Amino acid sequence: SQTIHQWPATLVQPVGSPLSLECTVEGTSNPNLYWYRQAAGRGLQLLFYSVGIGQISSEVPQNLSASRPQDRQFILSSKKLLLSDSGFYLCAWSDGGEQYFGPGTRLTVT
Amino acid sequence: DQQVKQNSPSLSVQEGRISILNCDYTNSMFDYFLWYKKYPAEGPTFLISISSIKDKNEDGRFTVFLNKSAKHLSLHIVPSQPGDSAVYFCAASDRDDKIIFGKGTRLHILP
Repeated sequence: SQTIHQWPATLVQPVGSPLSLECTVEGTSNPNLYWYRQAAGRGLQLLFYSVGIGQISSEVPQNLSASRPQDRQFILSSKKLLLSDSGFYLCAWSDGGEQYFGPGTRLTVT
Repeated sequence: DQQVKQNSPSLSVQEGRISILNCDYTNSMFDYFLWYKKYPAEGPTFLISISSIKDKNEDGRFTVFLNKSAKHLSLHIVPSQPGDSAVYFCAASDRDDKIIFGKGTRLHILP
């Protein structure tokens, strides 16, 4: 069966520091991968999605970037965090149908 | 511009009664609709879906209804149980596999 892992579970970082969140999927190959953010009082905002290694589409202009160095690895990064980057970050995968979400990372930028 | 709208941020329903969560969409190219359930500090879990060629899909206590002419879908939960208290996200996708989520409705099941 397929599983999706995200780490870390929680993170507190100062403004201006870098960020790296990692997501890996097991039990499937060539999945579509997604990064979402859920900010306080808001819905799930799609940040990036990838249909293959090295193929990244950005949905919103922002302070963040994403990379897919391997088929089942998806990384969310920032060179300098902003206060507005605080939120709950979710990675998801799909094989063309429903999306399945990881446990999420709670990021607090102070 | 919100393509998927959940106009009720919260809903309270007595245990045992029917919960009805509503969702509207604007993009007529959407052909697949989903509902997700989310507990605090966890990732959303897939609940039920419906293709645009259907107007109803049922799975146990959960039924999703789709009205394409009104661009409206709803999730019915009956009977409602305490464990159903969560945030419910409506979502829609077109053929490029991107899913657009609504802002969610927080459902409270009252004892």
